[in-house]
Amino acid sequence: NAGVTQTPKFRILKIGQSMTLQCAQDMNHNYMYWYRQDPGMGLKLIYYSVGAGITDKGEVPNGYNVSRSTTEYFPLRLELAAPSQTSVYFCASSYRTDNEQFFGPGTRLTVL
Amino acid sequence: AQSVTQLGSHVSVSEGALVLLRCNYSSSVPPYLFWYVQYPNQGLQLLLKYTSAATLVKGINGFEAEFKKSETSFHLTKPSAHMSDAAEYFCAVSYTGTASKLTFGTGTRLQVTL
Repeated sequence: NAGVTQTPKFRILKIGQSMTLQCAQDMNHNYMYWYRQDPGMGLKLIYYSVGAGITDKGEVPNGYNVSRSTTEYFPLRLELAAPSQTSVYFCASSYRTDNEQFFGPGTRLTVL
Repeated sequence: AQSVTQLGSHVSVSEGALVLLRCNYSSSVPPYLFWYVQYPNQGLQLLLKYTSAATLVKGINGFEAEFKKSETSFHLTKPSAHMSDAAEYFCAVSYTGTASKLTFGTGTRLQVTL
C-alpha cells in the first residue's frame, strides 16, 4: 500500500492564482482530513470528510474548498491564493471514528 | 472548546538522558489522546495512542506515555534519548462522535546533544 499520497510536493503561486492540492489514499478509509501547519502553531483542521459526498468545515476553512466524489480522493482547492495561505498542507485519513490518522508527506505552498 | 497545551516549544537533552515532553488537555469528557512525531520535511507518524484501555501506553521507538485523569495530562517519556529522536513532537486529542477530528498542540522540538 502506498498509504496517503499528496501532489505536488512544492508549489509557488502568485496572489490571486488558483490551484488544487491532490490527496489520495489506498487504505479504503472512510474519513479524510486536510490540515495546514504553520511554524509554532501546530496543525489546524481545514476541512474533513466522513465519506464520499460528505464534507464539513474544520477550524480554518476560509479561502478553501473541498470535494469528495470517491473514497480514495479528497482534493483541496484554493480559488484566490493569498499570502496568508503560505503554509505546509497535510492530508490524512482514518479508518473509523476515534482511530489514528495516517498522514501524507505534505505539500509546501508559497504565495507571493 | 477543547484544547491541548504542550509546555516548552524546545527541549534539549543529552544523549542517554531521560526525555520528558509535557502535554495537558482541557476537557471534562474522556478524550482519545495521541502523540505524533515529525521528522524534518516529513509527515506525521503516530508514536502512541490512548483510547481508554491501559493508562500507561507503550509506543514505538521506546516511548511511552501515561494518562492521568486527575491531572488532565498525557506526558511522553523515554528513559534514554538517542540522537535519532531529534524531531518535533505533537500531542493531539479527539473525542467520541467527532469523526476523529484531531486538535493538536503547538508542538515541542526535541534536540539531542552528545
